[in-house]
Amino acid sequence: DVKVTQSSRYLVKRTGEKVFLECVQDMDHENMFWYRQDPGLGLRLIYFSYDVKMKEKGDIPEGYSVSREKKERFSLILESASTNQTSMYLCASSGGLPGTGELFFGEGSRLTVL
Amino acid sequence: AQSVSQHNHHVILSEAASLELGCNYSYGGTVNLFWYVQYPGQHLQLLLKYFSGDPLVKGIKGFEAEFIKSKFSFNLRKPSVQWSDTAEYFCAVNAGRGSTLGRLYFGRGTQLTVWP
Repeated sequence: DVKVTQSSRYLVKRTGEKVFLECVQDMDHENMFWYRQDPGLGLRLIYFSYDVKMKEKGDIPEGYSVSREKKERFSLILESASTNQTSMYLCASSGGLPGTGELFFGEGSRLTVL
Repeated sequence: AQSVSQHNHHVILSEAASLELGCNYSYGGTVNLFWYVQYPGQHLQLLLKYFSGDPLVKGIKGFEAEFIKSKFSFNLRKPSVQWSDTAEYFCAVNAGRGSTLGRLYFGRGTQLTVWP
């Protein structure tokens, strides 16, 4: 059974702090994604990666960066957190050709920026 | 960029009522289509998907969806809902080519509340 684990379920940070959100998957998936989920807006893609050390911008990359040093791990970084980054962050992974496989999601990390 | 429209933000039904949730997308080429569900307090999970073949696809828990290419639609249906179907439902589309390869575009979601 695929498992996508996000390191923190709940975080509270102050404006300007650097925030790391970690995601690990255990199914040797090539593709990994970071979304943010906001009420009434659905899921919006922040960044994605199809391979180690590879990253692509999604639809809302501003204020975020990512790191994929190992195949199983995909980290989302907020260099200087702002209140408008308060949100639920979802990590997902999929195998095979991008777009053809089921996305497996983590439980989510709810970030509050004060 | 692609867009995915879910017509209903919140749907409230009684148990045993029939359900249809609308989903339309903007891309005109070959698409892969998905419905995901998020039960309260749980992670998103796949309900069903369509890649090709029979446009009527069946998923888990009695859900089905019909792909109508001419209408750019992929509506989700269930003949008789249960209280346990209370959840948020997301339609997602992947164009499967070019720079958007692999990206899933999600609709804004429909919250379904089923009263017992």
